[in-house]
Amino acid sequence: GDSVTQMEGPVTLSEEAFLTINCTYTATGYPSLFWYVQYPGEGLQLLLKATKADDKGSNKGFEATYRKETTSFHLEKGSVQVSDSAVYFCALIAGNNRKLIWGLGTSLAVNP
Amino acid sequence: DAGVIQSPRHEVTEMGQEVTLRCKPISGHNSLFWYRQTMMRGLELLIYFNNNVPIDDSGMPEDRFSAKMPNASFSTLKIQPSEPRDSAVYFCASSQGVEQYFGPGTRLTVT
Repeated sequence: GDSVTQMEGPVTLSEEAFLTINCTYTATGYPSLFWYVQYPGEGLQLLLKATKADDKGSNKGFEATYRKETTSFHLEKGSVQVSDSAVYFCALIAGNNRKLIWGLGTSLAVNP
Repeated sequence: DAGVIQSPRHEVTEMGQEVTLRCKPISGHNSLFWYRQTMMRGLELLIYFNNNVPIDDSGMPEDRFSAKMPNASFSTLKIQPSEPRDSAVYFCASSQGVEQYFGPGTRLTVT
């Protein structure tokens, strides 16, 4: 079945460091791919998305490119801030239903 | 827009009691999702509705859990009887397209 695998955390970085969180997927057809972020004590919110191969989603300095050849959607940011400390979830939707398939989440802590 | 509204935000109850969690989706959204989040199991989809009809309840743990959506603006998740292992944060989310909008969650503690 469809699945999402993302790198285990926690990830700890210093402010202004480069961030990569790996995400790979298994799905039939052409899924839409998402990154959600959960700040402490809050619900999840959409960070960025890509709906077809080679699309790049971007928001708040974060980017991810839909790579069909490697079935990947890695999240990157060139210079993280303390306010980026959160849990990041990779997810996909495949087919015609509305059900998101979630990764387990990667916790990021950014130190000043 | 007020976003997805959940109540209560926190609930502490004793084992064996009935618990009802409430959700008001964003107006105009036609899909509603109930999730449970724990450290051990991560984020789990319990059930989702489309146009008030349950589409997939395969994630509902057992008969103690039930969910209803009597109209487009209200849904409940009920646990009866509650057990300590039900302690978790329960999220409601709604959508019109592929993007899901999450509520702030209800933190449930069963003692």
